[in-house]
Amino acid sequence: QLVVTQPPTASASLGASVKLTCTLSSGHSTYAISWHQQQPQKGPRFLMKLNSDGSHNKGDGIPDRFSGSSSGAERYLTISSLQSEDEADYFCQTWDTGIPFGGGTKLTVL
Amino acid sequence: EVQLVESGGGLVKPGGSLRLSCAASGSTFRNYDMVWVRQAPGKGLEWVSTITRSSSHIYYAESVKGRFTISRDNAKNSLYLQMNSLRAEDTAVYYCARNFEGWGQGTLVTVSS
Repeated sequence: QLVVTQPPTASASLGASVKLTCTLSSGHSTYAISWHQQQPQKGPRFLMKLNSDGSHNKGDGIPDRFSGSSSGAERYLTISSLQSEDEADYFCQTWDTGIPFGGGTKLTVL
Repeated sequence: EVQLVESGGGLVKPGGSLRLSCAASGSTFRNYDMVWVRQAPGKGLEWVSTITRSSSHIYYAESVKGRFTISRDNAKNSLYLQMNSLRAEDTAVYYCARNFEGWGQGTLVTVSS
């Protein structure tokens, strides 16, 4: 069964960069994922769909500061030039029986 | 850009029913699979159900199978979720989404006596 794992927390300073990780369980390293952002008290926002080769397609209006990359079973979301409004929960999601979501990473901008 | 607006949430007793609606605008609704996703208070996102463009294929999470029914009306640009036999653990904000690439703001369902 596919399991998607994310570290629960991350932090970085204003103006710096941060790399968030989403890990697919063994045997699922070719799966694409999507990254979603959820700011406090808001609905989720689609950021991008990220393929196993690192290619990605971003949602409408997503700034260039957001980028994705892949390595094996790891999927990454890099946010550069961090701004205060980037402080949010970030969820990854893939496609399999049950459409699994990762538990989310809460990003704190220091 | 797609705009999705959910409605129909509220307080309901265990065993009761609710029907959620999701109104879509700004895009060609009939061209996309639609999903319901929920988020219990303080928790992460949980997929609930998917309906394909022409309603030919429907899928449910095991946690709601047999109790929830997803449907859509492409002529009305609307998505629905009929929820029966509600339980306390169904308490959550329910979001509709266009193939996970456009989300609504959610509607809160509270199941409590």
